[in-house]
Amino acid sequence: QLQLQESGPGLVKPSETLSLTCSVAGASISISSYYWGWIRQPPGKGLQWIGNVYFIGSTFSNPSLKSRVTISIDTSKNLFSLKLSSVTAADTAVYYCATASDSRGAFDLWGPGTMVTVSS
Amino acid sequence: EIVLTQSPATLSLSPGERATLSCRASQSISSYLAWYQQKPGHAPRLLIYDASNRATGIPARFSGSGSGTDFTLTISSLEPEDFAVYYCQQRSNWPSLTFGGGTKVEIK
Repeated sequence: QLQLQESGPGLVKPSETLSLTCSVAGASISISSYYWGWIRQPPGKGLQWIGNVYFIGSTFSNPSLKSRVTISIDTSKNLFSLKLSSVTAADTAVYYCATASDSRGAFDLWGPGTMVTVSS
Repeated sequence: EIVLTQSPATLSLSPGERATLSCRASQSISSYLAWYQQKPGHAPRLLIYDASNRATGIPARFSGSGSGTDFTLTISSLEPEDFAVYYCQQRSNWPSLTFGGGTKVEIK
């Protein structure tokens, strides 16, 4: 059974880089026709799509975050990663990883999420 | 960027009542719309994809309709576990996408 799990520091200082990893268990991350994505949710607010990565390494990011976002995939370790640079308090959020089939274009499996706070 | 506007922001209903949630796109997105349910402290759960297709394991009381710019999620008879926040998401320029702002369905 496919499962996703986010991991990374829960506290990041302003101006530094937020780094998170999503470990995939139960299936190969190299499966074709599936995208792997990052979504975040500030406290008490709605969902914001950050970006998607395909197993060959192609990435697609939210234009509002694109200059600060790097998403990568490591097929040898069956995981994908998010780096968000120059963080501010506005980047404080629960960060989710999720997967979507190319045909449905919707995230049908999510990780539990991890809270990241940006504070000195 | 395509903007999705959900209404109302909050819907106050009683168990057994019918819930009708709206999602409007700033431009035509064909049928490329999904709906999610999110309960406090949990990740969202996919309910509907491509406007009207129920995801695996989703009860028949959840239905989606619409195309172009106007979409509706209907819950035919609210169960206690249906009180939650609902989000729409468009994928007309997949693999890029956007989410709506959400509608909270609360107990009246």
